[in-house]
Amino acid sequence: QQQVKQSPQSLIVQKGGISIINCAYENTAFDYFPWYQQFPGKGPALLIAIRPDVSEKKEGRFTISFNKSAKQFSLHIMDSQPGDSATYFCAATGHNFNKFYFGSGTKLNVKP
Amino acid sequence: DTGVSQDPRHKITKRGQNVTFRCDPISEHNRLYWYRQTLGQGPEFLTYFQNEAQLEKSRLLSDRFSAERPKGSFSTLEIQRTEQGDSAMYLCASSSGQGGNIQYFGAGTRLSVL
Repeated sequence: QQQVKQSPQSLIVQKGGISIINCAYENTAFDYFPWYQQFPGKGPALLIAIRPDVSEKKEGRFTISFNKSAKQFSLHIMDSQPGDSATYFCAATGHNFNKFYFGSGTKLNVKP
Repeated sequence: DTGVSQDPRHKITKRGQNVTFRCDPISEHNRLYWYRQTLGQGPEFLTYFQNEAQLEKSRLLSDRFSAERPKGSFSTLEIQRTEQGDSAMYLCASSSGQGGNIQYFGAGTRLSVL
């Protein structure tokens, strides 16, 4: 059973537009939700993360929205740029950070 | 801080052979994770070390897989009797366990089993 479900699988956005990627989870014991960015040939890199005690976190052009009751969270990339073209993964883990569960990834293509 | 280093970057082996990968985490990072990533999928958790202790191991991991972190620094992942289904990217990540547990990933070892 997939612990974290991610959609869409791929996304095409025009430069300057908003990219939105969604994730859902079932395990209510999860309490840390990071997003990672991965470029071809590289390992994932942490982009932004949130805990369920807040509904939104913003860092620059990247915002996580968190809906605890719906067990859903999403990544919003404002003013999307061609350099943002990459694969994005959501993830979840419990309070001891012993085991991370990743979504299946969203390949974002920002067209100039 | 040179980042997480993985060696080799690529490994081609024949089915049935044993392979070993090495991960050098960021110095003083006490947490170390191994993941497997196949094309078009997210990283799949394999195992977790805190210092030299292996605290978590995926139930999906067969007995052919073993990992060690003997001195709480570098780690090795060994796959015995490789199968074609083992072909994947094997990623290592480390963290200090502080400040929200930021995981730093290496570039991975790509394994191809022929």
